[in-house]
Amino acid sequence: AQKVTQAQTEISVVEKEDVTLDCVYETRDTTYYLFWYKQPPSGELVFLIRRNSFDEQNEISGRYSWNFQKSTSSFNFTITASQVVDSAVYFCALRWSGGSNYKLTFGKGTLLTVNP
Amino acid sequence: DGGITQSPKYLFRKEGQNVTLSCEQNLNHDAMYWYRQDPGQGLRLIYYSQIVNDFQKGDIAEGYSVSREKKESFPLTVTSAQKNPTAFYLCASSDQWGQLSNQPQHFGDGTRLSIL
Repeated sequence: AQKVTQAQTEISVVEKEDVTLDCVYETRDTTYYLFWYKQPPSGELVFLIRRNSFDEQNEISGRYSWNFQKSTSSFNFTITASQVVDSAVYFCALRWSGGSNYKLTFGKGTLLTVNP
Repeated sequence: DGGITQSPKYLFRKEGQNVTLSCEQNLNHDAMYWYRQDPGQGLRLIYYSQIVNDFQKGDIAEGYSVSREKKESFPLTVTSAQKNPTAFYLCASSDQWGQLSNQPQHFGDGTRLSIL
């Protein structure tokens, strides 16, 4: 079975603080993809990053960085110098191969509130 | 601009009524998906479609129906059999479906359905 756990339901920080959102996944597959999405108050999900199971390199994009560690089955997301516009629900997701289907399994999300 | 359009943004259903949520994409994507989002529950897959005239049940298909007569359209009907339809519904599409698909899903702005 596949599962994505985002243990932090809500996080509240003050602007300019760094914040890390945790994501732990479970899958029996050796080949899989991990994703992070942002859902601002307007509702649509915005794709942030994709990482495949063979690539454990960390990635940095501006104030965002991702730490993928297969040994701990984690794919954590860090926002440096947070801003009010970062306030949103963030979802981690796993795409795995289950039989002939390739479904995307989402975590329950972490609500990040950045206060001015 | 390419994207996914969901309508209406807000929808109200009366007891015993079927309602249909629209989803249109102009991204030329083969695969389309419907998700349901409840507070604290993350996203759960209702139905998905790999190609025209084909669709498969997701994790929570009971009380829902879909059709895929055109590549760009994937409407979702919430039937009277769905006893708890109040939720936020998100439609998505992606470029690939096949094995080891790594393309992210693109999401619409969502439809919020409530019971009158």
